[in-house]
Parts: sequence; structure tokens; C-alpha cells
Amino acid sequence: EAQVTQNPRYLITVTGKKLTVTCSQNMNHEYMSWYRQDPGLGLRQIYYSMNVEVTDKGDVPEGYKVSRKEKRNFPLILESPSPNQTSLYFCASSSYLTASGPKVEQFFGPGTRLTVL
Amino acid sequence: KNEVEQSPQNLTAQEGEFITINCSYSVGISALHWLQQHPGGGIVSLFMLSSGKKKHGRLIATINIQEKHSSLHITASHPRDSAVYICAVRIKAAGNKLTFGGGTRVLVKP
Repeated sequence: EAQVTQNPRYLITVTGKKLTVTCSQNMNHEYMSWYRQDPGLGLRQIYYSMNVEVTDKGDVPEGYKVSRKEKRNFPLILESPSPNQTSLYFCASSSYLTASGPKVEQFFGPGTRLTVL
Repeated sequence: KNEVEQSPQNLTAQEGEFITINCSYSVGISALHWLQQHPGGGIVSLFMLSSGKKKHGRLIATINIQEKHSSLHITASHPRDSAVYICAVRIKAAGNKLTFGGGTRVLVKP
């Protein structure tokens, strides 16, 4: 089954404790992206990757890191989480990449609800 | 001012009614996406448009590049269409970043 998986689905942690949210897709997609969703602010893009070893900042990259060492995986790393990073996080992927971006709809993961105390 | 504005913010319809959700943007774009977020939180991509019109089942999406406006129509609405519908644009001057509208919460009553 074609899908985007995220782990963990739920996480409660404390300020400053490094964490990684994994994202994996089995569709051989070139484009992968991370978003956060907050009440009143909607969805905002954190980082995206056009292909292996190619990553770019979205609108809200501060406090996050990503890597794209393999095509299927795009982990989101919070080196020192803070309470303002409490949010619902989504990973997404899509294929058929052109110079102007993905040409097909994105597939979204189920979301990771993160609480930083 | 947000670069992407959706209207209305909330919409209630009776089953069977025709629903229209609007998305306006203020910048040059290379593509526009319509997404559906279910009450459980999952997000599904409905359409990606760069011009014209697309149809999938009871859903129709249109875009007018000159007027910087897109609409999502739901024909013969059904309670299972109850969800938040989100417009997102890929801004030409911003590489491949996506910028999102605030969403339209749709409730279809039986």
C-alpha cells in the first residue's frame, strides 16, 4: 500500500531534550516536506527536500533540522525543543518533480502530535 | 495581510446543497493546491491546479490566474463532505515553498 508513515504519532517531552520525528514513504517520491499546524495559524511549511541531499527552508525553519540521506526518509530533528514547538506535525511527499515544483498532488502522513513541557 | 485568503471561514449546508469555497492570493504562483482535512486530522490532497478546471467525482476546482482566484465546488453535498478545506499556493518568487490559507470549515447536515 502506497503510504507516508510518521513516528511517533504522539509524543510528550520536556524542554531541551533532543528528539527526532521520522518520516518514510514507499512511493519513490522525489519531493518531501514537513509542516506544522497550529490553531489560528493553520499549516506552515518547515522544510522541504527536492531530492536526496537537497533541502530548503520553508516559512518556519527556526529550531528544526532535517536531512535527506535516502530518498524514502526525511526525518525532522528538534535539537533543543521548546514549548512553542508544541504542535501537530505533518510529513508529505509527491512525485514527478519539475523545475517549478511537484506536478502531482502530495500524499500526507497521519500526523505527529508533539507536546513540549 | 496573508498572501492566501479563504472565504468563508465556516460554512453550514444541508445535504444535497451546492457548496462553493473561495481562495484568493496576492502573489504570482506556479500552482495551487486544494486539501481536505478530516475531523480526525488526516489530510488528503484533492487537486493541484496551474490553470483551468479539474473535476473529480462531485468535486470541481477552478482557477483564474489573471484574477488570482480559485474556487472549490462540492455538488450534491453529503455529510461525509464535512471537513476543513485548505487552499495552498506555490509562490513563484519563493522557489518550491507552499503557503497555506486559513481553511474553511464545512459542516453538511443530513
